[in-house]
Amino acid sequence: AQKITQTQPGMFVQEKEAVTLDCTYDTSDQSYGLFWYKQPSSGEMIFLIYQGSYDEQNATEGRYSLNFQKARKSANLVISASQLGDSAMYFCAMREGDLGGSQGNLIFGKGTKLSVKP
Amino acid sequence: NAGVTQTPKFQVLKTGQSMTLQCAQDMNHEYMSWYRQDPGMGLRLIHYSVGAGITDQGEVPNGYNVSRSTTEDFPLRLLSAAPSQTSVYFCASSPSYGGRSYNEQFFGPGTRLTVL
Repeated sequence: AQKITQTQPGMFVQEKEAVTLDCTYDTSDQSYGLFWYKQPSSGEMIFLIYQGSYDEQNATEGRYSLNFQKARKSANLVISASQLGDSAMYFCAMREGDLGGSQGNLIFGKGTKLSVKP
Repeated sequence: NAGVTQTPKFQVLKTGQSMTLQCAQDMNHEYMSWYRQDPGMGLRLIHYSVGAGITDQGEVPNGYNVSRSTTEDFPLRLLSAAPSQTSVYFCASSPSYGGRSYNEQFFGPGTRLTVL
């Protein structure tokens, strides 16, 4: 079974609108971390946001927020006020065993390609 | 601070040739790893290291060797390249634990490898 599932291979959003990229995960660990990365067409991996499983509040970083629903095992990325430069691949990832001694290994989903329309 | 550097950026090999992909970081990170990215597959972990002298296998280790003689360097070796190893390879590093930067893996720019 896949540990990280991103069900939207591609999405379109109008410039200045908000968009939600879906991510569900599967783990039996109590301690884990969830990440979102952006990969523009130039190919580099850009860290966006992190949510720890014990964090009570949803993480936010500027225009990015993570809608963390622990019971549903979902960690959706919300981008507010989309910009043309947001057009990219977006990857959800999980690190299991997140508290102390974690080996840091990330498990990635297959990604969602976001296209922002002017 | 150069961050994570990878060389070369592009490489074309013939089947059976060997080569080493270089990765270095100047952030004194204990943890380093190699991922490969194939179309439609996301990134998959090849090998990782939690410190100098310590390495372990990830999800797709076959056909690759690694070593970690220093904290800074983590080379990936292809002993006998195969067309199935055509991919984009990313090296990443992070502190083992502690501090906000623990919650971010720093990725190198990637190496695009083609095996004919």
